Amino acid sequence: QVQLQESGPGLVKPSQTLSLTCTVSGGSISSGSYYWSWIRQPAGKGLEWIGRIYTSGSTNYNPSLKSRVTISVDTSKNQFSLKLSSVTAADTAVYYCARYAYYYDSSGYLKDYFDYWGQGTLVTVSS
Amino acid sequence: EIVLTQSPATLSLSPGERATLSCRASQSVSSYLAWYQQKPGQAPRLLIYDASNRATGIPARFSGSGSGTDFTLTISSLEPEDFAVYYCQQRSNWPPEFTFGPGTKVDIK
Repeated sequence: QVQLQESGPGLVKPSQTLSLTCTVSGGSISSGSYYWSWIRQPAGKGLEWIGRIYTSGSTNYNPSLKSRVTISVDTSKNQFSLKLSSVTAADTAVYYCARYAYYYDSSGYLKDYFDYWGQGTLVTVSS
Repeated sequence: EIVLTQSPATLSLSPGERATLSCRASQSVSSYLAWYQQKPGQAPRLLIYDASNRATGIPARFSGSGSGTDFTLTISSLEPEDFAVYYCQQRSNWPPEFTFGPGTKVDIK
């Protein structure tokens, strides 16, 4: 059973860089057809996709956050990480890491979904 | 950017009743739509992918339908553990981008 666990500081000062790590257990981060993603959720609000990374290092980011986001992967540690720079109070949220799985069916159509999620970690931006 | 709209915002029902949740996309997403359930203090849980495919371990009372811009999640007979918030999610083809709807809260009447 795949498990994901977020870790990192729960409090970050405005203008600083938020840094989180997601540790994957129960399977190799390098195996299978998976991307590894970060998603966040402000208190009482909906979900916002931040970005994803493949184990080759290929990344895709939410255009609204792209200028401030860096996602990296460390296959030797079975981890991937998020850095969000120049944070403000608007970046206060629960941050989730999640596995994005995909496959092609017999007709060649792409099927995809976020199937495993970490429990989430609250990051508060405040001085 | 494709925007997802969910309705109603809140659905008040009793156990045993049928729940019908709607998700509408601002432009066609083909069948690239998933549904998630989230309970307080928990991460979202995948229910349905590709509009109508149940994820592993999801009870048969959950079903999804639709394509293009209009999608529906149906819970045929609500169990006590089904009272939660439900989100739809789509993926854009290129560049790859994922967006979620604002959610529908199913609460106990």
